[in-house]
Amino acid sequence: EIVLTQSPGTLSLSPGERATLSCRASQSVSSNYLAWYQQKPGQAPRLLIYGASSRATGIPDRFSGSGSGTDFTLTISRLEPEDFAVYYCQQYGGSPLLTFGPGTKVDIK
Amino acid sequence: QVQLVESGGGVVQPGRSLRLSCAASGFTFSSYGMHWVRQAPGKGLEWVAIISYDGSNKYNGDSVKGRFTISRDNSKNTLYLQMNSLRAEDTAVYYCAGGVTHFDYWGQGTLVTVSS
Repeated sequence: EIVLTQSPGTLSLSPGERATLSCRASQSVSSNYLAWYQQKPGQAPRLLIYGASSRATGIPDRFSGSGSGTDFTLTISRLEPEDFAVYYCQQYGGSPLLTFGPGTKVDIK
Repeated sequence: QVQLVESGGGVVQPGRSLRLSCAASGFTFSSYGMHWVRQAPGKGLEWVAIISYDGSNKYNGDSVKGRFTISRDNSKNTLYLQMNSLRAEDTAVYYCAGGVTHFDYWGQGTLVTVSS
């Protein structure tokens, strides 16, 4: 079973700062089928990154994804006020077929 | 634009059944794999089930195996989730989502509360 672990659980930063979020898999993620989502309170998640490093349509270039195998990173280069949210990583192709990480909350310092 | 609109949620007693629907528009529904994802109150996201674009392949998450069935009607651009033998731990917002390896599109969700 592939288990995704995200760290830190909460990241307290100020607008303009850089955010670095980690997602670690218990086994290698096949074909880098690793995605990142942003979720704000009361809203559905929104796709940010797929294939570990490809930005989804309409996503600002301050969001970037990197990594392979078992270690992945989402970086927000300069936090905007609308970026304070919860971020989830998700893998496809393991067992179970699809799993999410527990999330990282980025809140305002 | 792309729209996914879930319906069918509500309050249901433990052991009873409920069917959720998700009406799709703004994209070629019949070409897309579709999923159900749920989120218990104050908790993270949990994948529930996937169905291939033509309905020929389906897979469930371990927590709903044998109780939930995903299906689709491409002539109606609609996705379904039949939920049987509901338990308190099935209480969640249920989202339909489009994609295969990741979720390009999401609905706004429908709340299912399992309580006596």
